[in-house]
Amino acid sequence: QSALTQPPSASGSPGQSVTISCTGTSSDVGGYNYVSWYQQHPGKAPKLMIYEVSKRPSGVPDRFSGSKSGNTASLTVSGLQAEDEADYYCSSYAGSNNSPVVFGGGTKLTVL
Amino acid sequence: QVQLVESGGGLVKPGGSLRLSCAASGFTFSDYYMSWIRQAPGKGLEWVSYISSSGSTIYYADSVKGRFTISRDNAKNSLYLQMNSLRAEDTAVYYCARDTVDLDYWGQGTLVTVSS
Repeated sequence: QSALTQPPSASGSPGQSVTISCTGTSSDVGGYNYVSWYQQHPGKAPKLMIYEVSKRPSGVPDRFSGSKSGNTASLTVSGLQAEDEADYYCSSYAGSNNSPVVFGGGTKLTVL
Repeated sequence: QVQLVESGGGLVKPGGSLRLSCAASGFTFSDYYMSWIRQAPGKGLEWVSYISSSGSTIYYADSVKGRFTISRDNAKNSLYLQMNSLRAEDTAVYYCARDTVDLDYWGQGTLVTVSS
């Protein structure tokens, strides 16, 4: 069982927007502004899409945005494109303890 | 450009050992924390271990504590993961990643299969 909870699947048609949630606790998501989102295409390494809740690395389209409210973080993909179909994982810093990084179980995003 | 290249994966019997390596280039390796993350076939990501830039601070996931050892050689721009007492549930693709709290660059991964 993953430390962070994500829906197993999400879908949308091209051009639409879709939001993926990531629920943790006050010890991880709610306690720090260090939530990241990763995109993973089949057979490929994960790619950082959002860091520190809402910041985009250079080169990531502004169609991707992140937010957080309490213990739940969200990734929104606007203007869906076929190449956005992938698995998305959230992660959070969880403090300088036993497991400082926790991941969500992943969400398979399907572009219909 | 930042590059991370893992090596050392393969097929090993339960109880066996394996040492993974991660060769880094394109950045000042000694300035960055580094992490190992794994992904079992068809499953999600699992953080395994991280090491501070100097090697003085190390953490492990409970699932590997006492069996795996992370280390680094800053002179060789390399990260390592010594895996002992391997179990079937350790079967996964192992990724190294540059750790800036966020994992901003990942290698392509190396597959470790534990099977008799």
